[in-house]
Amino acid sequence: GAVVSQHPSWVICKSGTSVKIECRSLDFQATTMFWYRQFPKQSLMLMATSNEGSKATYEQGVEKDKFLINHASLTLSTLTVTSAHPEDSSFYICSARDGQAMFWGLKETQYFGPGTRLLVL
Amino acid sequence: RKEVEQDPGPFNVPEGATVAFNCTYSNSASQSFFWYRQDCRKEPKLLMSVYSSGNEDGRFTAQLNRASQYISLLIRDSKLSDSATYLCVVRNTGGFKTIFGAGTRLFVKA
Repeated sequence: GAVVSQHPSWVICKSGTSVKIECRSLDFQATTMFWYRQFPKQSLMLMATSNEGSKATYEQGVEKDKFLINHASLTLSTLTVTSAHPEDSSFYICSARDGQAMFWGLKETQYFGPGTRLLVL
Repeated sequence: RKEVEQDPGPFNVPEGATVAFNCTYSNSASQSFFWYRQDCRKEPKLLMSVYSSGNEDGRFTAQLNRASQYISLLIRDSKLSDSATYLCVVRNTGGFKTIFGAGTRLFVKA
């Protein structure tokens, strides 16, 4: 099946540091990628939808100046947590949308990356 | 009201037991439904899609009731390896937006 990678898998940083997380689709082109955040014992919360070549669409309550998203190519989206603080510590997961033309129409599947654990001290 | 609601559990069951999870969703225009499984500290993985006619995959059976906006997952003959959090997932029309439930934790004990 399709593979989505994330890098790094773990980040520990000091408060005030900016952290960049990469999400790559390894064997398909993804015009749309999604960024989620998950706090312990809570569900995945969609932060933003990243579209290749255009601005990301942020969910209500997510600060776009705090969480910078860039989707510069069909296989790479990046999330930068600017001036990270301890409350930003979380599990960040990206996913990529793969559309395959079938005889009956378009089959769309969402593949998840392995996630990045961010700990801000 | 949350868009997707699940009983958080935990469900503690012995090996071999049958266990059922329920999920309700609030957006009647929702188009696609899934159950995902998430192991501790891992990303969610697709368990199965849910169709109106109901579908089965081995020990797992999923049902969808559009009129009641209700989804279920039945696990028969539980295995220790089934211990995980099960996420009810709804995809709404347009934009491919996926909404996750908070998950139901299952512990299967020997």
